[in-house]
Amino acid sequence: KNQVEQSPQSLIILEGKNCTLQCNYTVSPFSNLRWYKQDTGRGPVSLTIMTFSENTKSNGRYTATLDADTKQSSLHITASQLSDSASYICVVSYGNNRLAFGKGNQVVVIP
Amino acid sequence: EADIYQTPRYLVIGTGKKITLECSQTMGHDKMYWYQQDPGMELHLIHYSYGVNSTEKGDLSSESTVSRIRTEHFPLTLESARPSHTSQYLCASSELDVDGSYEQYFGPGTRLTVT
Repeated sequence: KNQVEQSPQSLIILEGKNCTLQCNYTVSPFSNLRWYKQDTGRGPVSLTIMTFSENTKSNGRYTATLDADTKQSSLHITASQLSDSASYICVVSYGNNRLAFGKGNQVVVIP
Repeated sequence: EADIYQTPRYLVIGTGKKITLECSQTMGHDKMYWYQQDPGMELHLIHYSYGVNSTEKGDLSSESTVSRIRTEHFPLTLESARPSHTSQYLCASSELDVDGSYEQYFGPGTRLTVT
């Protein structure tokens, strides 16, 4: 079983609509959690990082939340644009700088 | 856009050939990594380096080898390619962030197909 589970696996949304992606993890001890955006054929790019003491953080139209007690994070995309079509990867840093990767949420925004 | 480069971007090669995937970064990062990623699957760490002359195997066993003779350069070599090596290979480097975490900067990847 993967240590980082993301849902939904894939999502199709209309341009302008909002969506929320989920990330649940089991690894410990927790250091931080990053959300990456990976466009097709490109490498992942960091969107935001959440540390243990942070509950919410925004980066433009992206808002990440973290509940370290329940080991859950979410990434909310507001007013989606066509350029938001990508895979969103949840990466949890734990222990001695170890990383656990999720499989990603594949988002497709249609006009 | 991160200053980390990978060549080639796409490679189709026959079984048994020796290949080297190039990765270079101009950010002066000490830490570098190689990941393998299959479609719809998570990234798997296959090699990493904490500096010149330092190389370690990652979580996923791989028949590839790496070298780190210069800080900016971290090539990956397959002595004899097989169809099972078909995958996307992503190179990354990282630096210590202001909050004590490490942000990884990824290259665009090399999509390898072994026929």
